[in-house]
Amino acid sequence: QKEVEQDPGPLSVPEGAIVSLNCTYSNSAFQYFMWYRQYSRKGPELLMYTYSSGNKEDGRFTAQVDKSSKYISLFIRDSQPSDSATYLCAMSRGGYQKVTFGTGTKLQVIP
Amino acid sequence: DTAVSQTPKYLVTQMGNDKSIKCEQNLGHDTMYWYKQDSKKFLKIMFSYNNKELIINETVPNRFSPKSPDKAHLNLHINSLELGDSAVYFCASSLGGAGETQYFGPGTRLLVL
Repeated sequence: QKEVEQDPGPLSVPEGAIVSLNCTYSNSAFQYFMWYRQYSRKGPELLMYTYSSGNKEDGRFTAQVDKSSKYISLFIRDSQPSDSATYLCAMSRGGYQKVTFGTGTKLQVIP
Repeated sequence: DTAVSQTPKYLVTQMGNDKSIKCEQNLGHDTMYWYKQDSKKFLKIMFSYNNKELIINETVPNRFSPKSPDKAHLNLHINSLELGDSAVYFCASSLGGAGETQYFGPGTRLLVL
């Protein structure tokens, strides 16, 4: 079993839809939870960053962490065609420990 | 100015050859990383350096040897290339440890024939 599980998709939604992306993990020592967005043929870029459990909102994006269930989510409201990309969840124990990435979910927002 | 740059962007080579990929960051970060992303988009850490010192060395074949001449540069040398080495290799950097934002380079697409 992988440390971090993520549905690879692809996920196709109409423009304006609410998108929900999720990851589960097995290592209870993870403290830092991140979502990276990767456009085709580009490097990943950080979208959201959360420490421990709770919610964080930034514009149309909301990240949720439920450590008791070992489950994290990213919600995208009013999705736009420019949101079409692969979304990678990532997590770390912190310090100089490695970051473990999910396999990524490919999202397509149809105009 | 590009924050994290890699050269070359594309690399096509024959099995058995030796090749190097270079990475430079101008963000003043202390920590740099090499990741491998396979055809299924799975991104896996290979190495990490903090102030020129190796701090993460995942289960990577000895054919891969990173070198950090200073904290702004992290190069990756690969000996005796194999078909399975074909992937996209990303360099990244962060101010401190892995709990901080990592900034990724554009990637080097390696194809071994």
